[in-house]
Amino acid sequence: TQLLEQSPQFLSIQEGENLTVYCNSSSVFSSLQWYRQEPGEGPVLLVTVVTGGEVKKLKRLTFQFGDARKDSSLHITAAQPGDTGLYLCAGPSGGSYIPTFGRGTSLIVHP
Amino acid sequence: SQTIHQWPATLVQPVGSPLSLECTVEGTSNPNLYWYRQAAGRGLQLLFYSVGIGQISSEVPQNLSASRPQDRQFILSSKKLLLSDSGFYLCAWSASGAGQDETQYFGPGTRLLVL
Repeated sequence: TQLLEQSPQFLSIQEGENLTVYCNSSSVFSSLQWYRQEPGEGPVLLVTVVTGGEVKKLKRLTFQFGDARKDSSLHITAAQPGDTGLYLCAGPSGGSYIPTFGRGTSLIVHP
Repeated sequence: SQTIHQWPATLVQPVGSPLSLECTVEGTSNPNLYWYRQAAGRGLQLLFYSVGIGQISSEVPQNLSASRPQDRQFILSSKKLLLSDSGFYLCAWSASGAGQDETQYFGPGTRLLVL
């Protein structure tokens, strides 16, 4: 059983479209991180959300942490080919400092 | 600022040969260190983590071992590689101590192909 479920697993869209990816769990997380990974490289941190209901914006990316701190979403406005990559959510739960990772959403943005 | 290095970037090894992958962190002290393996384009499997020199916790029984000979050095090893050891290996660090940011920061990874 995956502690963090990410959806969709795959997403193929045209440049300029909007999209949302989700990260859901039945467990409460003290924080959640979102990463983007390009092929052959390590994941790069995009944002950390800590407070329930928190919304953070990073240019065209909007991150939201659920009120109950069990889920999170990433919304991309006007996607660009440079947004292509694997988006991973992760977070520690159950009192552990070691984060659990979702399996990721693979995004392809076509020019 | 903190940086994390991994080498080699790519490695092709025959079955049965030994393995040594190295990870070093700069700009921080007493970090928590992690080794992950990633299947093609998918999520991360935690292999080992360390909270201090000589302290290693294993998450998955396997053909691999880890060591931490120095505060900011983490090594992944194998005595005899298997075909199934092929994959993308990632090292990561996070700040240690209660109340610290639990975010992990990743190295560039090592692509291992066992033939």
